[in-house]
Amino acid sequence: AQSVTQLGSHVSVSEGALVLLRCNYSSSVPPYLFWYVQYPNQGLQLLLKYTSAATLVKGINGFEAEFKKSETSFHLTKPSAHMSDAAEYFCAVSDPAGANSKLTFGKGITLSVRP
Amino acid sequence: DAGVTQSPTHLIKTRGQQVTLRCSPKSGHDTVSWYQQALGQGPQFIFQYYEEEERQRGNFPDRFSGHQFPNYSSELNVNALLLGDSALYLCASRTGLAGAYDTQYFGPGTRLTVL
Repeated sequence: AQSVTQLGSHVSVSEGALVLLRCNYSSSVPPYLFWYVQYPNQGLQLLLKYTSAATLVKGINGFEAEFKKSETSFHLTKPSAHMSDAAEYFCAVSDPAGANSKLTFGKGITLSVRP
Repeated sequence: DAGVTQSPTHLIKTRGQQVTLRCSPKSGHDTVSWYQQALGQGPQFIFQYYEEEERQRGNFPDRFSGHQFPNYSSELNVNALLLGDSALYLCASRTGLAGAYDTQYFGPGTRLTVL
């Protein structure tokens, strides 16, 4: 079975500082990996996804993530945090060999941005 | 172009009651998945519908059932509600013929509270 682990439930950074949100996956086959963001009282919005092409994936709002097979990681980064980045971030995995697109999510990380 | 819509926004029920939640997929999408997001947790896959049939099911009891209509909209039904069913219920849509890498678009969710 596939799974993702998001270490830490809360990350706080200063505005303008580097954002680093960690995600490690467990899968018997190279997975597809996703980062979603959830703003208060809203649904999930896709930030970026890894689908076995380039290992460095660029997403919306200045976010990017790097797939590292040796470390089974897919950490999300942003060079300079903005106040509007404050939200809940979820890492998710799906099975490329699966017949459909069930997503397995981590528990999420709350990002706070201090002025 | 309307995205994924869900109704109602909020719902309060008592234990033992039954509830129906509704979802209209994004235009051009024919596959609908339902997820349950408990407070402080990541979304958990309930089931997926394609061509009016349940294609895959997560680890949820039979009290959870669904339906997909010819216009691709979907309903989630939960019988004999328990306190533990209180959660945000998210609907996601995609095109059925795409692979597991295809982006799923999420609705804003229905917040269900069971008293």
